[in-house]
Amino acid sequence: AQSVAQPEDQVNVAEGNPLTVKCTYSVSGNPYLFWYVQYPNRGLQFLLKYITGDNLVKGSYGFEAEFNKSQTSFHLKKPSALVSDSALYFCAVRDGTNAGKSTFGDGTTLTVKP
Amino acid sequence: EADIYQTPRYLVIGTGKKITLECSQTMGHDKMYWYQQDPGMELHLIHYSYGVNSTEKGDLSSESTVSRIRTEHFPLTLESARPSHTSQYLCASQRDGGLGTDTQYFGPGTRLTVL
Repeated sequence: AQSVAQPEDQVNVAEGNPLTVKCTYSVSGNPYLFWYVQYPNRGLQFLLKYITGDNLVKGSYGFEAEFNKSQTSFHLKKPSALVSDSALYFCAVRDGTNAGKSTFGDGTTLTVKP
Repeated sequence: EADIYQTPRYLVIGTGKKITLECSQTMGHDKMYWYQQDPGMELHLIHYSYGVNSTEKGDLSSESTVSRIRTEHFPLTLESARPSHTSQYLCASQRDGGLGTDTQYFGPGTRLTVL
């Protein structure tokens, strides 16, 4: 069975500071990893994904994530946070050999203060 | 365990047919969503609803329509199916507000093939 853990319910950072939202996963086979963002009154919006290739993946709005196979992690990062980055962030994993559904983490609320 | 259901699970249909994908949840969630997902790829939001009689289009342009007449029911309709509609369609629901209640619960999906 595959699983995703987002160990922090909330992350608070000051505007301009770097941010990290953590994600660890468990899956058999090669993982496909995704980050989504949910702004208030919207559904999930795709940010970035790791399928294969470079471990550092760059996505929308200046976000990036690093795939670390040995630590089974896929932390979301941004060098300089904006107040508008405040939202709910979800990490998801699926087994690369299985075309079934993704498993989502419980979400992390990011608050960026001016 | 989440109680969200989708029917049919698999559907193969000819071009031009009208189809309705059903989604229901028994958790009383106000928020419901439809996503489109190609195999192994990311989700794309196509419709969402924040309550009865409330529906909005999502980020991905879609020729489908939705309705929300009852809290538990959020069907998606394609008036005239085309091969480009071939994909997996995932329905999800989410409780409204409160830390720890933001998890989206997904149905098993409908895999649609249009010939």
